[in-house]
Amino acid sequence: GESVGLHLPTLSVQEGDNSIINCAYSNSASDYFIWYKQESGKGPQFIIDIRSNMDKRQGQRVTVLLNKTVKHLSLQIAATQPGDSAVYFCAEEGNTGKLIFGQGTTLQVKP
Amino acid sequence: DTGVSQDPRHKITKRGQNVTFRCDPISEHNRLYWYRQTLGQGPEFLTYFQNEAQLEKSRLLSDRFSAERPKGSFSTLEIQRTEQGDSAMYLCASSLQGPKEKLFFGSGTQLSVL
Repeated sequence: GESVGLHLPTLSVQEGDNSIINCAYSNSASDYFIWYKQESGKGPQFIIDIRSNMDKRQGQRVTVLLNKTVKHLSLQIAATQPGDSAVYFCAEEGNTGKLIFGQGTTLQVKP
Repeated sequence: DTGVSQDPRHKITKRGQNVTFRCDPISEHNRLYWYRQTLGQGPEFLTYFQNEAQLEKSRLLSDRFSAERPKGSFSTLEIQRTEQGDSAMYLCASSLQGPKEKLFFGSGTQLSVL
């Protein structure tokens, strides 16, 4: 079956450091992945996506890396800021066209 | 604000009561999704519409749950005879039609069943 999981439930980083959040997926047929950020009391907010024909995609301060060989996805946040504190979810689009979410990693940014 | 709008933001009800939530998607989006999220978990897919057609329902969606999108615009999610286990955040999302389109989420409706 499909499942998406994150390696660590909580990640604590110092302000200004880089953050790396990891995600493993199990469906090798998945070809589209999205990272979402969710702040307390709000819905998930789109950060960045990547299709399976790519292995890296960059946005503003964020980079997503996709390793299809080991079915691993990561989100890198450069120069982490207090406003980056949130729960981060990776999501995978399965063959039915709907997103399957992992359990989330809480990012805590220490000032 | 032209994002996805959900109403109400919070709903407290007693077990056995019926509740209805509303979602207004981004206007040009013809796909609309309902997800449920419990504390500490990622959102779980419930159902989705393409225009007014409900194309898929999760096994999580028991017979007490019904969703409609009568004119292909806003959608409602009704839960009949609520149970304490229905307490969760109900999230609505919308997207353009087509594969690999990103979903935009609303802020959700937090349901508490007492």
